[in-house]
Amino acid sequence: GDSVTQMEGPVTLSEEAFLTINCTYTATGYPSLFWYVQYPGEGLQLLLKATKADDKGSNKGFEATYRKETTSFHLEKGSVQVSDSAVYFCALILEVNSGYALNFGKGTSLLVTP
Amino acid sequence: DAGITQSPRYKITETGRQVTLMCHQTWSHSYMFWYRQDLGHGLRLIYYSAAADITDKGEVPDGYVVSRSKTENFPLTLESATRSQTSVYFCASSPPEADMNTEAFFGQGTRLTVV
Repeated sequence: GDSVTQMEGPVTLSEEAFLTINCTYTATGYPSLFWYVQYPGEGLQLLLKATKADDKGSNKGFEATYRKETTSFHLEKGSVQVSDSAVYFCALILEVNSGYALNFGKGTSLLVTP
Repeated sequence: DAGITQSPRYKITETGRQVTLMCHQTWSHSYMFWYRQDLGHGLRLIYYSAAADITDKGEVPDGYVVSRSKTENFPLTLESATRSQTSVYFCASSPPEADMNTEAFFGQGTRLTVV
């Protein structure tokens, strides 16, 4: 079935470093793709999304481009901050029996040090 | 307060006991979901509901029961808790127009420990 695979963590970066978290998808069609973020002790919240090929989602300095050719949706940020320390999840919309649900990757933990 | 709330936030229970995790949302979202989060597995879908009185199994439904008699509530029951059900459980909801582009809103989670 449709799924996403994201790079294993944890990822440790110094403040102001460049971030890339890889995500690739397997799907029969072109589902909407998402990045969710989970800050310590909290639930997940949407970071950005892209609904079709070549779309770029962006939010809070993070970007990801929906690339059909490489079936990828990599998350990038030019200069990370300590406050970006969190777990990042790639996800796609999955069509299920009575509607839709999100199918998540395993998550990538990011730690940014001062 | 508007939003999606889960209760309790923390729960310790014994093997074999029945336990119910509550989820309540104030937006009248039609879709609601239960996920469990485990190290090495990420989030896995347990059950979902497209509307009141409509529920369906997700990826890992065994040992769980859900109901949706009211749009705003989606309780998850572990009929006879096992240690393998020790996890963090997240409830989520999506707006009535849920389609391929819709965002899900998550509760803060319930950390359940089965001893």
